[in-house]
Amino acid sequence: DTGVSQDPRHKITKRGQNVTFRCDPISEHNRLYWYRQTLGQGPEFLTYFQNEAQLEKSRLLSDRFSAERPKGSFSTLEIQRTEQGDSAMYLCASSYQAGGLYEQYFGPGTRLTVT
Amino acid sequence: DAKTTQPPSMDCAEGRAANLPCNHSTISGNEYVYWYRQIHSQGPQYIIHGLKNNETNEMASLIITEDRKSSTLILPHATLRDTAVYYCIVSADNTDKLIFGTGTGLQVFP
Repeated sequence: DTGVSQDPRHKITKRGQNVTFRCDPISEHNRLYWYRQTLGQGPEFLTYFQNEAQLEKSRLLSDRFSAERPKGSFSTLEIQRTEQGDSAMYLCASSYQAGGLYEQYFGPGTRLTVT
Repeated sequence: DAKTTQPPSMDCAEGRAANLPCNHSTISGNEYVYWYRQIHSQGPQYIIHGLKNNETNEMASLIITEDRKSSTLILPHATLRDTAVYYCIVSADNTDKLIFGTGTGLQVFP
């Protein structure tokens, strides 16, 4: 068990460019979550997957954001036409849901800076 | 999900117990209390959760009042590595997302 990994750890991009982040969850975890965190705030939920199905999206996830989990393993989060307001830490978490309670395991995050 | 209220910051001497309070006066009967912490530049880390009974694990203890409107996370012997932001979250057992507030920044000093 190597934990949740995210790539890249840091990304600097110019406004208007597209960026894509990858998350590799703990193996056999069937749920995968994306959160966004800005300075001084707690993480905000963006979306989550159960296996390959995207089950919920936050209103924070504008049309410029898209997330996929094509084979129920790793996930990607793409932001198109980035804006300065997209600058944040993007966190991925995973959990194993088999009914009842479960804890989420978080990755180290990808810090995005839009210039 | 119910909202929580936590003090923005606290400090604690190394080796002493750190008691972090959380108010959740609108908690529903099926909602659990979770605690996560986030050390600087890392992702959040699960600590403990409970429904109405007190809970203890290797990291901490969770004390929930009888009316369930508040709780306290106890780190029995705080170390410098416990310096972090601590988040109290209430969530139903079938809720799929965590709603974080701004948490309590705990500073442990030598």
